[in-house]
Amino acid sequence: KAGVTQTPRYLIKTRGQQVTLSCSPISGHRSVSWYQQTPGQGLQFLFEYFSETQRNKGNFPGRFSGRQFSNSRSEMNVSTLELGDSALYLCASSAQGTGANVLTFGAGSRLTVL
Amino acid sequence: EDQVTQSPEALRLQEGESSSLNCSYTVSGLRGLFWYRQDPGKGPEFLFTLYSAGEEKEKERLKATLTKKESFLHITAPKPEDSATYLCAVSGGSYIPTFGRGTSLIVHP
Repeated sequence: KAGVTQTPRYLIKTRGQQVTLSCSPISGHRSVSWYQQTPGQGLQFLFEYFSETQRNKGNFPGRFSGRQFSNSRSEMNVSTLELGDSALYLCASSAQGTGANVLTFGAGSRLTVL
Repeated sequence: EDQVTQSPEALRLQEGESSSLNCSYTVSGLRGLFWYRQDPGKGPEFLFTLYSAGEEKEKERLKATLTKKESFLHITAPKPEDSATYLCAVSGGSYIPTFGRGTSLIVHP
């Protein structure tokens, strides 16, 4: 059974640019959630998509956005990158959502902003 | 606002030296408390879900327990391969998971 796949694994951008990250969930899972992980703040929830609809959103500025396609694959976009956006971005999939359900994480996309 | 505090931040053990990791939490309407393990360069991997106070779950050398205010992850006779960062998370009425900053465990042979 294939796991959660995130691409790209590593990327380097400069301030002001934008970036798009991709996540393919486990087959049959309709929920994809995104997280930012930094040494200072730990793992923080960005947003969750379920059946192409944003169901929950964390406390991040509007520069962070996402979407989900009909095949459950999801993308997140960060516009006007800032140095502080350097982080490991993780996505997780689950069958029913982020409530009381187990999350299966991908390996993450490591973003460095110069 | 849901909060999760994990202690200690870092823990060094000798192989075979048992210990416990702590996760203190405040949450409105607990739906589940989760323990994950994260190895360097990888995403977190699920270990346990606990739903109500008094519940306990075990897996190999790990045992997780839950009270109304905290959870413990007990590690019995750890091995070097147990070295990882252990993350605690809660999900409550908001359905938004809140993670602690983790405990970095190193087990020396």
